[in-house]
Amino acid sequence: GNSVTQMEGPVTLSEEAFLTINCTYTATGYPSLFWYVQYPGEGLQLLLKATKADDKGSNKGFEATYRKETTSFHLEKGSVQVSDSAVYFCALTPMDSSYKLIFGSGTRLLVRP
Amino acid sequence: GAVVSQHPSWVICKSGTSVKIECRSLDFQATTMFWYRQFPKQSLMLMATSNEGSKATYEQGVEKDKFLINHASLTLSTLTVTSAHPEDSSFYICSGGFRDRSSGANVLTFGAGSRLTVL
Repeated sequence: GNSVTQMEGPVTLSEEAFLTINCTYTATGYPSLFWYVQYPGEGLQLLLKATKADDKGSNKGFEATYRKETTSFHLEKGSVQVSDSAVYFCALTPMDSSYKLIFGSGTRLLVRP
Repeated sequence: GAVVSQHPSWVICKSGTSVKIECRSLDFQATTMFWYRQFPKQSLMLMATSNEGSKATYEQGVEKDKFLINHASLTLSTLTVTSAHPEDSSFYICSGGFRDRSSGANVLTFGAGSRLTVL
């Protein structure tokens, strides 16, 4: 079946540190891949997405590359800020479903000043 | 951009009562609505998928009679937690989907969520 696995948190970093949150997936064919962010007390916001192999999604300094060979979609940011503290969810949409999102367990990021 | 308004943002109720959560698409027509449940520090669990004018499709393990979903129009979907009990306390999130005509892309927008506490 389809599933998403992400690294367990929490991840604690100092401001301006480099961030990597690992995400791997299991799916048939070529799913679409997403990163969502959830700030405290709020709903989910789409951070970035990639719909085919080797695509790179980017937004607000965050990047993730769709790697078919390793079935991965790792999230990276070169220099995190305190305001990036949130929970990050990796997700996929299977090829046979345009909307149905399957989420990973989420990774909490805490950035200290 | 596409906005989904979810109401109430939080609700506290007594055990045995029913609670209704509304999800409205404000500037687009949501052909499909999804309802998720999120436990503390855990991921989102898809509860059901609803298409306007038809019965919702529930995920395995989700009680249909417990979580009533109505998608009466392209801009409104409701989730009613019937005879709520403390174990139903959770964060419920809806999302609306539509096809963007200009790009042809499928767009999914989330509501801000509703926190339910059952005493």
